This record gives sequence, structure tokens and C-alpha cells, in this order.
Amino acid sequence: NAGVTQTPKFQVLKTGQSMTLQCAQDMNHNSMYWYRQDPGMGLRLIYYSASEGTTDKGEVPNGYNVSRLNKREFSLRLESAAPSQTSVYFCALGGNGYTFGSGTRLTVV
Amino acid sequence: EDQVTQSPEALRLQEGESSSLNCSYTVSGLRGLFWYRQDPGKGPEFLFTLYSAGEEKEKERLKATLTKKESFLHITAPKPEDSATYLCAVQGRTSYDKVIFGPGTSLSVIP
Repeated sequence: NAGVTQTPKFQVLKTGQSMTLQCAQDMNHNSMYWYRQDPGMGLRLIYYSASEGTTDKGEVPNGYNVSRLNKREFSLRLESAAPSQTSVYFCALGGNGYTFGSGTRLTVV
Repeated sequence: EDQVTQSPEALRLQEGESSSLNCSYTVSGLRGLFWYRQDPGKGPEFLFTLYSAGEEKEKERLKATLTKKESFLHITAPKPEDSATYLCAVQGRTSYDKVIFGPGTSLSVIP
């Protein structure tokens, strides 16, 4: 989606491995969000950042960490991946109606 | 606790057959209710924001309405390209930094 770039698009991890999901924007929004989407459960908020330098936990933060390095970038890190973290991860920008990235499909085996 | 439910879970329509999707919500003071469309393998795409009971928004064959407890997304004479999952979300006044999403309704429009 225009303005929000997520990398990678697909990833397979083994249990216990670590990885960082990257999100970058060029829309100059202060607020950025990480959601995960699982079948039948909708989008659930993992972490969010209301502005550069600040981060807060959402509904399902356990097993994740985030970094808001600057206004453009908001990364999500899995330190020790578990099968329960198999999901599709979306980065979103705040505003009157969020702008979402195209997602990262993560499988943990 | 803010909560959003959507019904039906899935809906199959013939092309031209109008219908409505339901979004029921519980929130401590509604700041905004949002509708999104999501195509397979893509991120949600913003459609509408509704702020107060009685408000309506329209876009092509879609019209969203809002009451104090629920919102409807009316689809008039749908076409196959309207097939997608439609997500409803709410933002409360006490949690203005967070938006809570419903599980979605998967709509299939058959030619």
C-alpha cells in the first residue's frame, strides 16, 4: 500500500529463532501500529507508538518488542519465535482511518 | 472493555442482490466507528468513518449507517468486484490511541 512499506513479505522461522519485521512510512504520520491477524480473531494490537521515541503495549504484547527509531520507521522483533506467533503481521499509520501496509506472512515451525 | 462483533461471518450473494452487514459494538464513549475492506493477501483499505448516531456515509454501492449500538454496511446491487472481507472497528474516547477491530464478514458476490 502506498506510503507504508513492510519487509519481508514472507518468512519461515524455526522455533526459537529471532527476527525483526520492518515498517517504514513516507506519509509523515506520528502514530504507528503493529497488528497481527489470525483467522476468526480479527486484527489484534501488539504495540503502538504515538510519536517518535515512545512505545506502548497493546492487547497481545507478550513475546514481542518494538523500536521506534525515528519518525519513519517502526520495527517489531520476535526474540524467540514460537508456533503461536504464526500469523500475518500488519503495520499501520494513524489518522482518520488507518493506512495499512501489505503485511508480512510469518510461519513458525 | 471495548468490543466489536460482526455478523454474518460469511455472506454469499448473487450479483444484484442487495443485503446488509452488521457490526455491533460496546465502547466507553464512541470516538469513531470505521469500516474497512480487505482483499485476500492485502492489508485493510479504509472506507468510512462514522462519529455519531444517525450519521450515514456513501461510496458507490456501499452505504454505512450508525446507531448507538451498531452499524450497518448496506450493499446495493453488488457486483463480483465487491467480493472481499469487510472489517468494522471502533475507537473509544478513553483509548483514543487504540482501535479495536471486529473479526470481519467475508462477502462473495456470484455472477
